[in-house]
Amino acid sequence: NAGVTQTPKFQVLKTGQSMTLQCAQDMNHEYMSWYRQDPGMGLRLIHYSVGAGITDQGEVPNGYNVSRSTTEDFPLRLLSAAPSQTSVYFCASRGNYGYTFGSGTRLTVV
Amino acid sequence: AQSVTQLGSHVSVSEGALVLLRCNYSSSVPPYLFWYVQYPNQGLQLLLKYTTGATLVKGINGFEAEFKKSETSFHLTKPSAHMSDAAEYFCAVSSGGGADGLTFGKGTHLIIQP
Repeated sequence: NAGVTQTPKFQVLKTGQSMTLQCAQDMNHEYMSWYRQDPGMGLRLIHYSVGAGITDQGEVPNGYNVSRSTTEDFPLRLLSAAPSQTSVYFCASRGNYGYTFGSGTRLTVV
Repeated sequence: AQSVTQLGSHVSVSEGALVLLRCNYSSSVPPYLFWYVQYPNQGLQLLLKYTTGATLVKGINGFEAEFKKSETSFHLTKPSAHMSDAAEYFCAVSSGGGADGLTFGKGTHLIIQP
């Protein structure tokens, strides 16, 4: 099994550009979530989903949109990138044994 | 609302010594508690978790943690540190069902001295 797959691994954006971070899981997990990791801040929850068609905001949702049209996919959209969104982004899905994380996307906004 | 406090952003121990990483949490509902490890430029790997039942939880790589409700703590220990244990460690909490995602502490960087 691939687990949780995130693409791309690295991305550089200019301020104001938009992009979508992809996240896919093949474990048939209902629960998925997005986090950003910043130095000294740990990981902070951006958005989460409890199933297809159902999403909700986490701790730091501003500037990000999500949708969940299928169980497998949970993309994160940056509508107008800002330098403050420079971070490492992790997607996770939750199964019976806990959360499985993807390998992350390192995003730089210049 | 829930929160996690990890005491000590950096912890240094000698190889072979006891590792103790501290984690305190607050939660309005019975918590699920987790420890994750992150090696440089990698994702997060689950070390262990507590949901219900036995309060002493054993995980991978010789780590264990004990859930103490009265102290709202979930400290991570390993009897003998190895050089390969050098990494960033995160404690996290979720509500019982876990559907609303994880709340993480800010992390503890474990340094192993030869």
